[in-house]
Amino acid sequence: GQQLNQSPQSMFIQEGEDVSMNCTSSSIFNTWLWYKQEPGEGPVLLIALYKAGELTSNGRLTAQFGITRKDSFLNISASIPSDVGIYFCAGRDSGTYKYIFGTGTRLKVLA
Amino acid sequence: DGGITQSPKYLFRKEGQNVTLSCEQNLNHDAMYWYRQDPGQGLRLIYYSQIVNDFQKGDIAEGYSVSREKKESFPLTVTSAQKNPTAFYLCASHSPPNEQFFGPGTRLTVL
Repeated sequence: GQQLNQSPQSMFIQEGEDVSMNCTSSSIFNTWLWYKQEPGEGPVLLIALYKAGELTSNGRLTAQFGITRKDSFLNISASIPSDVGIYFCAGRDSGTYKYIFGTGTRLKVLA
Repeated sequence: DGGITQSPKYLFRKEGQNVTLSCEQNLNHDAMYWYRQDPGQGLRLIYYSQIVNDFQKGDIAEGYSVSREKKESFPLTVTSAQKNPTAFYLCASHSPPNEQFFGPGTRLTVL
């Protein structure tokens, strides 16, 4: 089945640094989502994007819906230890109930 | 509080036994989903259901079965035909305008 490509696969950063990750698809989506998963838990929705070019923030997190509708980006500013986890992107076409998930970016923050 | 309940959190079974994982939601969502996650991997769709009494295969349906007799419930049976059933299983639900919401997951270990 299709999976979206996320990069980087993993990141080790120092506390206070900014983080950038992205997600690309071979097909167009009308909705892009970003989730965070902590060990042993289900993913939690961070940001949802519905319009090409849209830039949306949630606290220190900012995500963008790429203008080609085939990619999305997530930035985390001033990282803190509790940002540790796996970040997944997901795409969905309007009118469908099926989500396609990315392969995940594993983030570790060193205090 | 509205949410998704998956029980139990940890499940152990002997090889060759069928096992059913429970998923209940009180969010009044129409659609429900089952995903499988292997260590260090992303989410792979097993089955999803858009309405009661209807469901569709995902990317890795072989060796699994589901039912959707009630809107609130979407149990997943891992059959003995599933060759490598040890994994983390996530249930999710969705109804527009809300996006997909995940349960806490069940970790299945087959001995």
